Amino acid sequence: NAGVTQTPKFRILKIGQSMTLQCTQDMNHNYMYWYRQDPGMGLKLIYYSVGAGITDKGEVPNGYNVSRSTTEDFPLRLELAAPSQTSVYFCASSYTTGFYEQYFGPGTRLTVT
Amino acid sequence: AQRVTQPEKLLSVFKGAPVELKCNYSYSGSPELFWYVQYSRQRLQLLLRHISRESIKGFTADLNKGETSFHLKKPFAQEEDSAMYYCALGGYQKVTFGTGTKLQVIP
Repeated sequence: NAGVTQTPKFRILKIGQSMTLQCTQDMNHNYMYWYRQDPGMGLKLIYYSVGAGITDKGEVPNGYNVSRSTTEDFPLRLELAAPSQTSVYFCASSYTTGFYEQYFGPGTRLTVT
Repeated sequence: AQRVTQPEKLLSVFKGAPVELKCNYSYSGSPELFWYVQYSRQRLQLLLRHISRESIKGFTADLNKGETSFHLKKPFAQEEDSAMYYCALGGYQKVTFGTGTKLQVIP
């Protein structure tokens, strides 16, 4: 089992560019999450999904979009990148509700200049 | 609303000294609490959860519903304990994380 994988590991974007962060899990988990980690701010939830075809906003969804067409994949789309989106992005999954352990990917370090 | 508070951003202790990382929560139902750890250049991973009542790597955490706390403790700190520690509160659909405490163990 690879667990949760994310690509790319690093990326530098110019202001106004767009990109998609990929996330895949092979544990057949229903729940998937996207977080951003800013220094001193901990983890902030961007979007989450409770199953294929179902997504919902977290604390900080502005500037991002998601889709969940399969159980395995949960890509995060950044439209019109801004410097405020410079962060480390983590994808996570869990078997079911938030009462269960979350499994994290290795993260994507994004810089917008 | 769910809320998790970790009051210390940085905690420095000497090797062999006791460690206590503080966590307080706010939740109207019956809480499910976790501690996650992130070692340097590694992904976050579960350290322990209150329902399992396990001791992992010498760490323990007791849920105190009266004080709404879930402090993480270890009697004797080791250098390999240096890491970022996050307290987390599980809910029906999502988990709320605290802002994290960086533990620095001084040799």
